[in-house]
Amino acid sequence: DAMVIQNPRYQVTQFGKPVTLSCSQTLNHNVMYWYQQKSSQAPKLLFHYYDKDFNNEADTPDNFQSRRPNTSFCFLDIRSPGLGDAAMYLCATSRALETLRGQYFGPGTRLTVT
Amino acid sequence: AQSVTQLGSHVSVSEGALVLLRCNYSSSVPPYLFWYVQYPNQGLQLLLKYTTGATLVKGINGFEAEFKKSETSFHLTKPSAHMSDAAEYFCAVSDRISGTYKYIFGTGTRLKVLA
Repeated sequence: DAMVIQNPRYQVTQFGKPVTLSCSQTLNHNVMYWYQQKSSQAPKLLFHYYDKDFNNEADTPDNFQSRRPNTSFCFLDIRSPGLGDAAMYLCATSRALETLRGQYFGPGTRLTVT
Repeated sequence: AQSVTQLGSHVSVSEGALVLLRCNYSSSVPPYLFWYVQYPNQGLQLLLKYTTGATLVKGINGFEAEFKKSETSFHLTKPSAHMSDAAEYFCAVSDRISGTYKYIFGTGTRLKVLA
């Protein structure tokens, strides 16, 4: 089945230690999104890629970076995690012209910062 | 700017009772509206969507929603709750960005189903 895969499902990192979260998709979608979701809150869009074009949300901290080496993979890098970055990180995909059909979400990576 | 407001962060219903989750939107253009469900420690799953056409939209798992422009609402309903419906539900509106769309999510409503 075509799907969105996130690895790892659970990640523990130390305060200030860089961490990378991974997302891959078999849907061949050209748009990939990264959301941050804190406990009992709505998912908050951090940035998205439309093909190779990176689009950052205005309020996304510089501490958060992303890479998309090819259509299938997208990475979220947190350069110096703080305690406030502990959250669920969700990856989603869509086809640009079919986004109104809905986004496809991965299961998320829960990040703990110690 | 587009936004959605979900009234009630927690809703409890008895098994077999009507489920009603409320969502109101604000949009400067005709909105595209969505309901997603999230089970614990999982991603979001699309329940249903309204883009154009029929204002009563049917989705998966017996859920439906009605778009009411006069009330700027898109409430989610299910005639008879099942224990498996216990989850968090998010209403969302789309916003056009750089050739594609992004979603603006509401703060969510956690549904509890009582036996």
